[in-house]
Parts: sequence; C-alpha cells; structure tokens
Amino acid sequence: DIVMTQSPDSLAVSLGERATINCKSSQSVLYSSNNRNYLAWYQQKLGQPPKLLIYWASTRESGVPDRFSGSGSGTDFALTISSLQAEDLAVYYCQQYYTTPITFGQGTRLEIK
Amino acid sequence: EVRLVVSGGGLVEPGGSLRLSCSASGFSLTNYGTSWVRQAPGKGPEWVAGMSGGGGSRYYADSAKGRFVISRDNSKNTLFLQMSSLTVEDTAVYYCVKDGLKSSGSSLYFDYWGQGMPVTVSS
Repeated sequence: DIVMTQSPDSLAVSLGERATINCKSSQSVLYSSNNRNYLAWYQQKLGQPPKLLIYWASTRESGVPDRFSGSGSGTDFALTISSLQAEDLAVYYCQQYYTTPITFGQGTRLEIK
Repeated sequence: EVRLVVSGGGLVEPGGSLRLSCSASGFSLTNYGTSWVRQAPGKGPEWVAGMSGGGGSRYYADSAKGRFVISRDNSKNTLFLQMSSLTVEDTAVYYCVKDGLKSSGSSLYFDYWGQGMPVTVSS
C-alpha cells in the first residue's frame, strides 16, 4: 500500500498569512504515460464530509477560491493557502489515487493564530 | 444537482450484518465510478470499496475483502454496501462518494460526498 504522510500534524497561522501543508507518498504517484500526479487534497470542516479542493496535484476544483493551490510531483506535494481566511479553519487531507487501495494522509489541523 | 443519500446504518452487534444504500441523483452511476469511504471517530478517511462506472470492476480495501460486497441497482441508480462479520473496528461514519471524472472506469478522486451514515458495532 502507498503510505501518505502529512506534515505538520497541526499548524497555527495568522489571518492573512500563508499556510503550507506538506504530503509525502511512500512511492511515486506520477503516471509516466500521461505525466499526471494522482494526488488530491480535501478540506474537512467540523461535522461535515470532506470537500475536494485540488486534484491531479494542482488542478483546483470548480468553485474553490484561488488562494488554494497545489504543487509538487512524484512523491512530494504541498497545499498552500496564500492568505488565510477565518473560514479556512479545518482539517486537510491528501489522498493518492494512483493505485488501490486508495489511501489518505493522517490529516493536518489548521488553526487560526 | 448531485445528491447522495445514504440509509441503512445504525447499531449492530459484533458478528452481525448490515446493508448500506446510497440513492444517487443528478448523475448516472453507469457514467461515474463510486466508492464507500469511512471515517472512524477522530480519524482520517479510509477508503473501503469502489465500483467502476461500467460496473465491470470492483475494488476493496484489505479490511473489507471477504466481508463487504459493493453492488448497485442501475434501474434505481442506487449503490449498496453489504457488510458482514462486523467488528468494533468497523465502527465509523460511512460516506458514499462519486468519482470526479466521467468514465466507464474509475478515477478514484471524489468530488461529491454524501452526508455520512453512522455505523456502530457494539454489544
């Protein structure tokens, strides 16, 4: 199984500042035939199901604010929130869909400083 | 509008069985892969099982193999998860989720999540 490891486990950032969450996969999730990274990011607010933010490592889902961006390739990825808003308080998860079993990271809790 | 409405959860004793149903609207199950994902209290999501849009492929997590069966009724646009030999480790909120890519296969990233159905395994 591909193990997804996120860092840090929790992060406190001031409003308006940049937040970066890292995700590392135990093996590459880059499919060479189409040069796509099979990596998604989700946001989960308290009491709600996860919400898709980013797929193919850097493609923003429709309706997601452009302050959210994804980067990285192969085994190392990042989710960046360029200017933190109060409504971004949540737990964030990365997920690989390169192969089954689909696996998620352990989550990063984002708090407002 | 896409909707995924899950029913069938609740309290079951260890060793028991339960069937979850997911009524889908706003899209056809035959055009998108769908999966079940669960989340134990205080934990991250765990993918459990998936089915391709064409219906020809089914995938299971090791924790589900031999105990859970994913299926669907195309005429009712409804996805099922039959769970048997349940243990306390199966206690979680179960989500029905839709693939983000229209395909007869599976893309396995998820753009819509149902509301979640609690399943509690306890004596």
